Amino acid sequence: AQTVTQSQPEMSVQEAETVTLSCTYDTSESNYYLFWYKQPPSRQMILVIRQEAYKQQNATENRFSVNFQKAAKSFSLKISDSQLGDTAMYFCALFYDKIIFGKGTRLHILP
Amino acid sequence: GAGVSQSPRYKVAKRGQDVALRCDPISGHVSLFWYQQALGQGPEFLTYFQNEAQLDKSGLPSDRFFAERPEGSVSTLKIQRTQQEDSAVYLCASSLAVAGGVPYNEQFFGPGTRLTVL
Repeated sequence: AQTVTQSQPEMSVQEAETVTLSCTYDTSESNYYLFWYKQPPSRQMILVIRQEAYKQQNATENRFSVNFQKAAKSFSLKISDSQLGDTAMYFCALFYDKIIFGKGTRLHILP
Repeated sequence: GAGVSQSPRYKVAKRGQDVALRCDPISGHVSLFWYQQALGQGPEFLTYFQNEAQLDKSGLPSDRFFAERPEGSVSTLKIQRTQQEDSAVYLCASSLAVAGGVPYNEQFFGPGTRLTVL
């Protein structure tokens, strides 16, 4: 079975700081995708960043970057220069034939 | 349309009532997915359509849940004899191509329908 675990239910950081969200996963597949999704209070799920498991280079998207450790099955998200608009639920997710989501981390960016 | 739309956005039902939730995917998208998101949880997969064919319904929690996509575009998720444990946000997502394996075809999510069963 495929599982995704997010061990931080809630986090708060000051605006402009850097924050790291943790995620571990389990799968028997060798080729898969990992994602971080953002869900603001409006509920629309937005893809923040994705990582293909066969690529060793960590994905980056502007202020968002990941630390992908395939052997350890770890996939953390780093948000640099955090902004008030980053306040949201963040879900780590794994995809092979369907998306499996973690339970989420609620992130508060404080002014 | 510009994105995935869902209606209604909010639905309140009395226990035992039947409800129907609608999803309008992005035009031309082949794949359509339904997810259930309980309060404080991540979304959980319910079912998947490729055009009009329902290829995976392994996530449907009971036979009270039924989904269809008769013409390969709009989809309806129907819940019969609703129970309090059905209260959740129901998310729909669509993607351009066939799902499964690699490469990944990005799923675009709708805003969801919040169902409250009293």
